Amino acid sequence: KNQVEQSPQSLIILEGKNCTLQCNYTVSPFSNLRWYKQDTGRGPVSLTIMTFSENTKSNGRYTATLDADTKQSSLHITASQLSDSASYICVVSDRGSTLGRLYFGRGTQLTVWP
Amino acid sequence: EADIYQTPRYLVIGTGKKITLECSQTMGHDKMYWYQQDPGMELHLIHYSYGVNSTEKGDLSSESTVSRIRTEHFPLTLESARPSHTSQYLCASSNPQGHYGYTFGSGTRLTVV
Repeated sequence: KNQVEQSPQSLIILEGKNCTLQCNYTVSPFSNLRWYKQDTGRGPVSLTIMTFSENTKSNGRYTATLDADTKQSSLHITASQLSDSASYICVVSDRGSTLGRLYFGRGTQLTVWP
Repeated sequence: EADIYQTPRYLVIGTGKKITLECSQTMGHDKMYWYQQDPGMELHLIHYSYGVNSTEKGDLSSESTVSRIRTEHFPLTLESARPSHTSQYLCASSNPQGHYGYTFGSGTRLTVV
């Protein structure tokens, strides 16, 4: 069964600190993995997208890694800011259909305190 | 600026009412999607469309219906709203390959009382 599991479910950190969010998946055949940021009551906004051949990608203070062999990904946030408080969702796409089926994790709820 | 728009952002409506959630995109994407998301839960695909006059049901059974008369417009309709329909509804669109350029709208938070 194709699944995407994220950990931790929630995380509280102090402003300025770094943190790492985890994503494990069983989706096959794998096409790409995306990390989205979703503010409360808003739609998800794409942070990074990685294909099978990419093992790291950065977007400002966000750095995603991908290990396609172990089917694991992480999202590292550097020097956190209050505006980083949001849900971070890992999404994996398969290449077994023309739809480009997406599999969503439940997200990690990050809270940044001043 | 190319984008995807959803209206209304919030809607509180009584049981039994008919409602239509609007979704429009200006990116010329052929593929469009509707997702349902409850708090703290993952997104579930309820409808999708490959293009004009093409609509399919997604993984999560939904009493809503959709139509695709124009490429840029993908409205979702509930003929008779019930409290169980209370949720956030997210519209998305993607480029022809379906893997990149996947963009979400801001969502409609629906509450049925």
